[in-house]
Amino acid sequence: ETGVTQTPRHLVMGMTNKKSLKCEQHLGHNAMYWYKQSAKKPLELMFVYNFKEQTENNSVPSRFSPECPNSSHLFLHLHTLQPEDSALYLCASSQSGTVGSNEQFFGPGTRLTVL
Amino acid sequence: AQSVTQPDIHITVSEGASLELRCNYSYGATPYLFWYVQSPGQGLQLLLKYFSGDTLVQGIKGFEAEFKRSQSSFNLRKPSVHWSDAAEYFCAVENNAGKSTFGDGTTLTVKP
Repeated sequence: ETGVTQTPRHLVMGMTNKKSLKCEQHLGHNAMYWYKQSAKKPLELMFVYNFKEQTENNSVPSRFSPECPNSSHLFLHLHTLQPEDSALYLCASSQSGTVGSNEQFFGPGTRLTVL
Repeated sequence: AQSVTQPDIHITVSEGASLELRCNYSYGATPYLFWYVQSPGQGLQLLLKYFSGDTLVQGIKGFEAEFKRSQSSFNLRKPSVHWSDAAEYFCAVENNAGKSTFGDGTTLTVKP
């Protein structure tokens, strides 16, 4: 595998379910990101991790819980979601999240539908 | 705080015609600037980037962009659009601390 991978690619869940999204980067990067992309809305940054430490939480509701066990893996744990949480969830990585001149490499996203 | 504006939500061009997508940014210092493209149901892919030096940068798929400091702009251009260029395009600005801000995107439709 190369680049940034995300699983699952599609997920349908009820409001009472608990599920997790997984992201893995094979680029040796030190920063990882979660974004939410809803229809007709701009890209929303949710969380940023640098060297496994969370450096940004963009006022995300607690029903979204990120986890970064190492620099290559990033999870987004979901519980008690609402229908308005249905969106494309994108993971990205970059060499650094604390200095400039970093392009971000994106995964293909997980299309989440909350019923 | 930095910001990015993409004034055109949707642009339609004929195949073979030229293309210009506009991007204006707000940032106090010299920014790092990026253009990304997103095909339906996919993640974003980097087209090109500007960090310093020559203000006209070349990217993949025949795209180029010009940084104009006086106008705070970083417009994306392509001389001849192909049907496969239909996608959503995002401009982004990054500050010295590695924080990126994305524009709202411009959707490009290509007419045959």
